[in-house]
Amino acid sequence: QKEVEQDPGPLSVPEGAIVSLNCTYSNSAFQYFMWYRQYSRKGPELLMYTYSSGNKEDGRFTAQVDKSSKYISLFIRDSQPSDSATYLCAMRSFNQAGTALIFGKGTTLSVSS
Amino acid sequence: NAGVTQTPKFQVLKTGQSMTLQCAQDMNHEYMSWYRQDPGMGLRLIHYSVGAGITDQGEVPNGYNVSRSTTEDFPLRLLSAAPSQTSVYFCASKSTGGVNQPQHFGDGTRLSIL
Repeated sequence: QKEVEQDPGPLSVPEGAIVSLNCTYSNSAFQYFMWYRQYSRKGPELLMYTYSSGNKEDGRFTAQVDKSSKYISLFIRDSQPSDSATYLCAMRSFNQAGTALIFGKGTTLSVSS
Repeated sequence: NAGVTQTPKFQVLKTGQSMTLQCAQDMNHEYMSWYRQDPGMGLRLIHYSVGAGITDQGEVPNGYNVSRSTTEDFPLRLLSAAPSQTSVYFCASKSTGGVNQPQHFGDGTRLSIL
């Protein structure tokens, strides 16, 4: 079992829909959780990060961490065509050497107008 | 701001050839790293560096060498290219000033080994 599992999709939704993206993980030492957005032929860019369990909101985006279930989610409200991209979850433990991130495989999202 | 700059953007090599992928950052970041991204595999760490003169291996280091002589530059060398190294390579940098500092990625080098 990989440390981080993420459904690759693709996920297609109409404009305005609520999108839910998810990752599960197996390493209970992970404490920092991130979501990256990657547009086609571009590098990943940090969208949101959270520490430990709980919710964090930023505009139309909400990141949720449930450490007891080893499950993280990213919700996108009122999705827009500009949200069409691949979304990568990433995580690391506090003391992980070199602060290396462990990435999920990414979920490809397409929002149609 | 230039951020993280990778060159070249595209490259085709023959099996057995060697080459160097360049990465430069202008943010004075201590930490730099190289990832490869393959379909169905996600991003995997190749090598990383926490400062000039210090490098270490990541998850998939075989076939690659790195060095860090300056804070700004972190080149990745393929010693003898193999078809299995066909991939998109991303360089990233971050400040080590705090655990929640974001990694900044370049736009990648798309490498094909024939």
